[in-house]
Amino acid sequence: GEDVEQSLFLSVREGDSSVINCTYTDSSSTYLYWYKQEPGAGLQLLTYIFSNMDMKQDQRLTVLLNKKDKHLSLRIADTQTGDSAIYFCAGVPGGFKTIFGAGTRLFVKA
Amino acid sequence: DAGVIQSPRHEVTEMGQEVTLRCKPISGHNSLFWYRQTMMRGLELLIYFNNNVPIDDSGMPEDRFSAKMPNASFSTLKIQPSEPRDSAVYFCASSGLAPYNEQFFGPGTRLTVL
Repeated sequence: GEDVEQSLFLSVREGDSSVINCTYTDSSSTYLYWYKQEPGAGLQLLTYIFSNMDMKQDQRLTVLLNKKDKHLSLRIADTQTGDSAIYFCAGVPGGFKTIFGAGTRLFVKA
Repeated sequence: DAGVIQSPRHEVTEMGQEVTLRCKPISGHNSLFWYRQTMMRGLELLIYFNNNVPIDDSGMPEDRFSAKMPNASFSTLKIQPSEPRDSAVYFCASSGLAPYNEQFFGPGTRLTVL
C-alpha cells in the first residue's frame, strides 16, 4: 500500500524559512496535501497541490512537487512562533482513503 | 456551519468499562472517518464510511472496537471492554464531494483508560 514518510522534527529561528519534506510511494493521488495540527486541535487543511503541477504558492507557503522523485515539500517563509505545530503530508491514492504521514513537529524559536 | 462536532471532549474511565464516542459530521458531507492518535503510533485510520456504509474497517484494532453510522448526521465509536492501551485522542473527520477531498476534522476526544 501507499507509504508516506516525513522527518519527525524541525527546529528553526523566528524569521527564517522552514522546509518540511515528504516522500511517498504511490503516485496515483490526484492531489497531495499539507495539513496542520495545532496543540489540542484536529488537523486542518493548510494547502494542496494538483498532481500535474510542480509548484504552488500561497502567501508565505510554497509547495514543490517532484513527481519523478515522489517528493513533496512545504516551505514556510518568515516563520513565526504561531507556525509551531505538527505538519502532515497526505495523499489519496486510488481516490479513496487519505494516507497521512507521521507528521513533522515544527518548533519555532523566538 | 459549526464544523464536525465530537462528544465528549474528554473521557476518563476504568479498565473494563464501555466507552462510546460520538460524532456529528458537517451537513452534506458523505464520507466520515474515525482516527486514533497517539505519540507512539501517530495518526491511524480506524474506519471510514461512505454514504453511511462502512467501506474499510481494516484499521479497527480488534473486536472490542465497533463503529456505526445509523444516519448521515451521526456516528459512534464504541470500545467494549476498554483497556489502558486504548488511551489516545480519537478524531472524527468528514469530507464531501469537493474535488480535492479535503477532510474536516473535529476537535477530538481525549480518552484515558485507567
